[in-house]
Amino acid sequence: AQSVTQLDSQVPVFEEAPVELRCNYSSSVSVYLFWYVQYPNQGLQLLLKYLSGSTLVESINGFEAEFNKSQTSFHLRKPSVHISDTAEYFCAVSAVDSNYKLTFGKGTLLTVNP
Amino acid sequence: GAGVSQSPSNKVTEKGKDVELRCDPISGHTALYWYRQSLGQGLEFLIYFQGNSAPDKSGLPSDRFSAERTGGSVSTLTIQRTQQEDSAVYLCASSLRVTSEQFFGPGTRLTVL
Repeated sequence: AQSVTQLDSQVPVFEEAPVELRCNYSSSVSVYLFWYVQYPNQGLQLLLKYLSGSTLVESINGFEAEFNKSQTSFHLRKPSVHISDTAEYFCAVSAVDSNYKLTFGKGTLLTVNP
Repeated sequence: GAGVSQSPSNKVTEKGKDVELRCDPISGHTALYWYRQSLGQGLEFLIYFQGNSAPDKSGLPSDRFSAERTGGSVSTLTIQRTQQEDSAVYLCASSLRVTSEQFFGPGTRLTVL
């Protein structure tokens, strides 16, 4: 079985500031890792994923995350945030021993203030 | 192509009534998952389908919950004798293969009065 810990439930930042949303996971087998974003009153959208290959993955809107196996982390970063990035961000893990169902963290609410 | 669709978008029901929630996955996606999202419990897995079979039902919270999938496509989640604690947003996701990323529908918000 897997578990995910998102260390910060809320992260307030000012516009154009950098941000890091932390995610740690535990698993006894190899994992796939995901970040999903949920904008207010909307559904879950896949932001980026790590399935294999390069440990640094990027999204089309400037977010990136790095898979660190030794630290069992998959932190999400953006060098300069916009007000439109205000949303809840969920880290998730899946693995072969759980039928690749997603196990989610509790989410981090990112609020970008002007 | 079209994404995952779910209906109804909102459902208000009285305690003790049965409800059916529908999910239309992305065409060609073989894997289908149901999750629910609630304030107290966050995002929880309910059930997984591969084709029409459900090899993992471990997340269903009680025997009042059941689901089926027909034709390798549409899935229906049924909750019998609804309780107030069943109030949540029920999310459906599909993926091309079990090892692929999952794409989510907009969800059905269930309110049990």
